[in-house]
Amino acid sequence: ETGVTQTPRHLVMGMTNKKSLKCEQHLGHNAMYWYKQSAKKPLELMFVYSLEERVENNSVPSRFSPECPNSSHLFLHLHTLQPEDSALYLCASSQGPSLAPSLQYFGAGTRLSVL
Amino acid sequence: AQKVTQAQTEISVVEKEDVTLDCVYETRDTTYYLFWYKQPPSGELVFLIRRNSFDEQNEISGRYSWNFQKSTSSFNFTITASQVVDSAVYFCALSFFQGAQKLVFGQGTRLTINP
Repeated sequence: ETGVTQTPRHLVMGMTNKKSLKCEQHLGHNAMYWYKQSAKKPLELMFVYSLEERVENNSVPSRFSPECPNSSHLFLHLHTLQPEDSALYLCASSQGPSLAPSLQYFGAGTRLSVL
Repeated sequence: AQKVTQAQTEISVVEKEDVTLDCVYETRDTTYYLFWYKQPPSGELVFLIRRNSFDEQNEISGRYSWNFQKSTSSFNFTITASQVVDSAVYFCALSFFQGAQKLVFGQGTRLTINP
């Protein structure tokens, strides 16, 4: 148990559906991250929020829309996805912001399949 | 640009053998941190170690040991007397600050320990 909870654990959706992934952290952190883990590729950083403000958007397609309503919750809203978006989506949190790298704690991920 | 290379995609050994996972990194920063994470089948990334660029002392934690060599930009991880529970995907990562604390990951090494 890392203190970072992601729901749902598994999600199957059609290309025309709209769904949301949820991440909640109970660690008192103020930075949160979304990563994408595809088969045979390194983890890719998608979004970073620090103190509830987005500080990074790594050229992610607009069909992925993040939302950070407070420092404990992070959402990833999905719409009109493509089959190549099927992947494990991992959420992480850390103490940030800081120049010294603080440890990122990861959730167990949401396994997304787009049909 | 920061980059992490884990050349070993998959390793399979028999229980009780020693195994070393290689990690080579690239960065122009003089101050940086290196990490190893373990990803068991359940999906979450579990932190194993963090090492800063000024500390080249090798570290041992139980059956785990790490060899950090700046001269070769390597941060290798050795498991001694491997056990079936060590089976997982292991990621090496490099942190840097660019607007926020970020991690760049290697592609991961899938380690299988056979009984």
